[in-house]
Amino acid sequence: ETGVTQSPTHLIKTRGQQVTLRCSSQSGHNTVSWYQQALGQGPQFIFQYYREEENGRGNFPPRFSGLQFPNYSSELNVNALELDDSALYLCASTPDRGFYNEQFFGPGTRLTVL
Amino acid sequence: AQRVTQPEKLLSVFKGAPVELKCNYSYSGSPELFWYVQYSRQRLQLLLRHISRESIKGFTADLNKGETSFHLKKPFAQEEDSAMYYCALSGYHYNNNDMRFGAGTRLTVKP
Repeated sequence: ETGVTQSPTHLIKTRGQQVTLRCSSQSGHNTVSWYQQALGQGPQFIFQYYREEENGRGNFPPRFSGLQFPNYSSELNVNALELDDSALYLCASTPDRGFYNEQFFGPGTRLTVL
Repeated sequence: AQRVTQPEKLLSVFKGAPVELKCNYSYSGSPELFWYVQYSRQRLQLLLRHISRESIKGFTADLNKGETSFHLKKPFAQEEDSAMYYCALSGYHYNNNDMRFGAGTRLTVKP
């Protein structure tokens, strides 16, 4: 069950712009989490959605927002981009059955803010 | 506050040597600890979790609540073990909100 996909693979934006990143997980994976991974760091938790409701949030400002859809896809939206938002963004889904907290990661979207 | 510390950014051992990747955590409740691994050009994947008490690819990790540690060990390292390893902590047993990752340790196993 490693079918999590993310798009786009790479993205370049300028400061102040807005960006939408997409994730698609498998049927039965009703939990999706988003992470930001800066260069040389571990993933940092942004937020988590369960059945289209936000289910936890890390220490990120409100300009980071998300949506989850019934078809197991989700979005991460970032407004008013800053240079420090340059990072790899990962989504991870968790199946409803199986071990709690086992997350299946996508390949990530590399965002560069100029 | 939840925190995961991996003190070594880089670790290099020879094939057949024992390897230990260190992980220390801080959490006031009962944590759930994980090791995730990322092989070259692959995505991040779960290696093992403390609650399962299992050995995966020869790796084991024991949760030591007294020392707040969850070190990953393997008695005989193999070249294919070369990868980036992340220790992670979750403060909940349900719904998995707020998983905290360490900064990672890059393990290189030399022939």
